[in-house]
Amino acid sequence: GAGVSQTPSNKVTEKGKYVELRCDPISGHTALYWYRQSLGQGPEFLIYFQGTGAADDSGLPNDRFFAVRPEGSVSTLKIQRTERGDSAVYLCASSFQGARETQYFGPGTRLLVL
Amino acid sequence: GDSVTQMEGPVTLSEEAFLTINCTYTATGYPSLFWYVQYPGEGLQLLLKATKADDKGSNKGFEATYRKETTSFHLEKGSVQVSDSAVYFCALVQAAGNKLTFGGGTRVLVKP
Repeated sequence: GAGVSQTPSNKVTEKGKYVELRCDPISGHTALYWYRQSLGQGPEFLIYFQGTGAADDSGLPNDRFFAVRPEGSVSTLKIQRTERGDSAVYLCASSFQGARETQYFGPGTRLLVL
Repeated sequence: GDSVTQMEGPVTLSEEAFLTINCTYTATGYPSLFWYVQYPGEGLQLLLKATKADDKGSNKGFEATYRKETTSFHLEKGSVQVSDSAVYFCALVQAAGNKLTFGGGTRVLVKP
């Protein structure tokens, strides 16, 4: 079956602009996660959805970052007033129910803020 | 907070050599432990996992044993292939946790 997909695969924007990153999880997976991976580092947790609600957003770095999952499937990560330090690969993952199960990762969106 | 420490790379090996990647963790309680792998040009994928002390996870010739007494989950493979060249990430999830906590990754390069 189809895996986790993310669009766009690459995004180049200018400092101060707004960006949206999209994640399509595996069908039937209720749990969805966003991570951020900087060059040469491991992924860092941003936010976790269980169904439509954000069950844990403790990893969001500041209020410029926001994510939604209005119908419990597709999720969008939104970054306002982008900064150069936001440049990273943004990874989405989904699992059937919870975090202790296998999380299936998408290919990521590479964001470059100029 | 929780943390995972793994040996820095790159690790360069010849084909058929023995591979060990050290991983230690700091966490309260009894986390589940994972190894994820990222092959060139591909996304992260689960390699193996263990959910309780003394469990051994295995897959594709790789093994790792959950050692509670040393808070470790070292990855081993007896005979590596060129196709094992990748970045390997050790990670944990707390028992009631909502997220994976990753180590920094170890790049492995296997030469023919």
